[in-house]
Amino acid sequence: GDSVTQMEGPVTLSEEAFLTINCTYTATGYPSLFWYVQYPGEGLQLLLKATKADDKGSNKGFEATYRKETTSFHLEKGSVQVSDSAVYFCALSDGTSYGKLTFGQGTILTVHP
Amino acid sequence: GAVVSQHPSWVICKSGTSVKIECRSLDFQATTMFWYRQFPKQSLMLMATSNEGSKATYEQGVEKDKFLINHASLTLSTLTVTSAHPEDSSFYICSASVGGQFFGPGTRLTVL
Repeated sequence: GDSVTQMEGPVTLSEEAFLTINCTYTATGYPSLFWYVQYPGEGLQLLLKATKADDKGSNKGFEATYRKETTSFHLEKGSVQVSDSAVYFCALSDGTSYGKLTFGQGTILTVHP
Repeated sequence: GAVVSQHPSWVICKSGTSVKIECRSLDFQATTMFWYRQFPKQSLMLMATSNEGSKATYEQGVEKDKFLINHASLTLSTLTVTSAHPEDSSFYICSASVGGQFFGPGTRLTVL
């Protein structure tokens, strides 16, 4: 079945550092790929998405490119802020089953001033 | 827009009792809602897909008689944990699907 693997955390960075959170996937067909963010005490929010190969999703300074050849969707941000501290989830949807999502295990990001 | 609420946000119950968790889409209608379970420091595990007016579809390994799902309207789905036990303690999250999934804030269940 479908699966998503994220780099293990937690990740701790200083403010303005560069962020990369790796995500690879296994899926049949052509899934859509997502990054969700969960801030402390809040529900998951969609951060960005890409629906086909070579698409780049971006939002709030975060970017991720759908790489079919490496089955990857790595999350990057050039300069993190303390407010980016959260749990980040990579996920895929196979486009069927009413948009059912398969999640990675989540990566805890802590940014220090 | 696209706000999903859950009630209660946390609940503590005794072993053997039943607990109902509500999931509401506040400003849109959702034919499909999903229920997830999240263990500490782990990912979300899809429990079931809830479709308005029909029976829920449960994922493999999820006991449908223990986790009762009802989706009686386009804005409300409920999850009832029947005869709860300490191993059912977890964080339960719902989402509503309308051009993408929108998540509720979650419900922390603690079974003593």
